[in-house]
This record gives sequence, C-alpha cells and structure tokens, in this order.
Amino acid sequence: GAVVSQHPSWVICKSGTSVKIECRSLDFQATTMFWYRQFPKQSLMLMATSNEGSKATYEQGVEKDKFLINHASLTLSTLTVTSAHPEDSSFYICSATYLTGGTYEQYFGPGTRLTVT
Amino acid sequence: QKEVEQDPGPLSVPEGAIVSLNCTYSNSAFQYFMWYRQYSRKGPELLMYTYSSGNKEDGRFTAQVDKSSKYISLFIRDSQPSDSATYLCAMTKPNTGNQFYFGTGTSLTVIP
Repeated sequence: GAVVSQHPSWVICKSGTSVKIECRSLDFQATTMFWYRQFPKQSLMLMATSNEGSKATYEQGVEKDKFLINHASLTLSTLTVTSAHPEDSSFYICSATYLTGGTYEQYFGPGTRLTVT
Repeated sequence: QKEVEQDPGPLSVPEGAIVSLNCTYSNSAFQYFMWYRQYSRKGPELLMYTYSSGNKEDGRFTAQVDKSSKYISLFIRDSQPSDSATYLCAMTKPNTGNQFYFGTGTSLTVIP
C-alpha cells in the first residue's frame, strides 16, 4: 500500500508557541490531504480538507486562524498550530488520497502526538 | 441520524475466537467500503477494500458487503492478541471526489 509519513511523531511545546507538523505522501502524488484530530479513546475528528495550491476547507468549529494548513505540493501538506495551549494537546493524524482504478483510496500517516505544557 | 453507524464496543474475545465487526449505513449511494485497523497511538492502517456485494478474503480477514441490507462486516478468524486494536469502517460514494465517511470505530481486545 501507499505510504504517508508525518514529522515529528511527538512534540512537546510551551503554551503560546507555534508548532508545525508535516505530512508527506512518499510514493504517490496525493489528490487531497486530510487533517484529523483524535483524543484518547475517541474516534477520528476531521479538521480540514486540503488540496494542493488552494485554501483548505475547514470543518465547522475548527478555527482556521489557529490551525493553519499549507499544501505546497502534491506530496506535502503542513499543519501549524499557532499559539498553542494545553487544550490543543492531542493526537493529530493526516491522510492522503489518490485516484486508482476509478476510485479513491485513503492512507493515513502514523500520527503526531502534541503535548502543550 | 449518522450516515454510518458502528457499535463502539468494547469487544473482548478469547484468543482463537471468530470476531465479527459490523457497520450499517443509510445511504444506498455508498459503493466503496473499507476497513481500517488502528493500534493505540498509531494512524489507521487500511486492511480491506471492497466495492461489491459478497465476500472478500485476505488471510484471516474476510470483508462482507450486503448492499441490500446496507450492512458491512469484517470477520477475523483465529483471532490473536495482536489483533487487539480499534477497527474503523469507511465508505465512499462514486463521483463525490474524496469524501470519506467513517464509523466511530470498534475497540477489540483479544485475550490470550
């Protein structure tokens, strides 16, 4: 299957600082990338949908000024958590899709654990 | 009503048991169905992908789709402790681009 990487896998930052998380599709060009958030023992929560070269589409309730998404190429999307606070501590997962055989397949990255102190 | 419903469990079975995980959906437009496995603190991993009614087998895993009942299942034979994870179903409709619809996930524990 296709491989999606995320970096870093774990980050600790101080309250008020910004953190950037990278998502890369390693062996395919992604049609679209998605960003999810997941709290312990809870299901995935879609934050935003990102297409290369265009503005991300954010889900209702997700602050676009706080969670900045840049999709610079068909293989790279970044999520920047600006002015992070302890309540932003969570597991952030990206995914990437590509079209194959007339339909889309979605592959997930390994996730990034963010802890804000 | 959510478009995709999945019993969150938790489900606990002894090693070697046959596990049945299920999702129901409300929209007959769904045509492509996936099962993901997510270990704790990891991203989901695509396990099975199917687009037609019937069964698809891959090793100990069998994905079953019943479009008439709007019901999909994942069966795990000879379950192992390493199968302990959360299993998510997902589905898409044709001609809707990248929109995926996920179940909430079922937590499975296989007891040695």
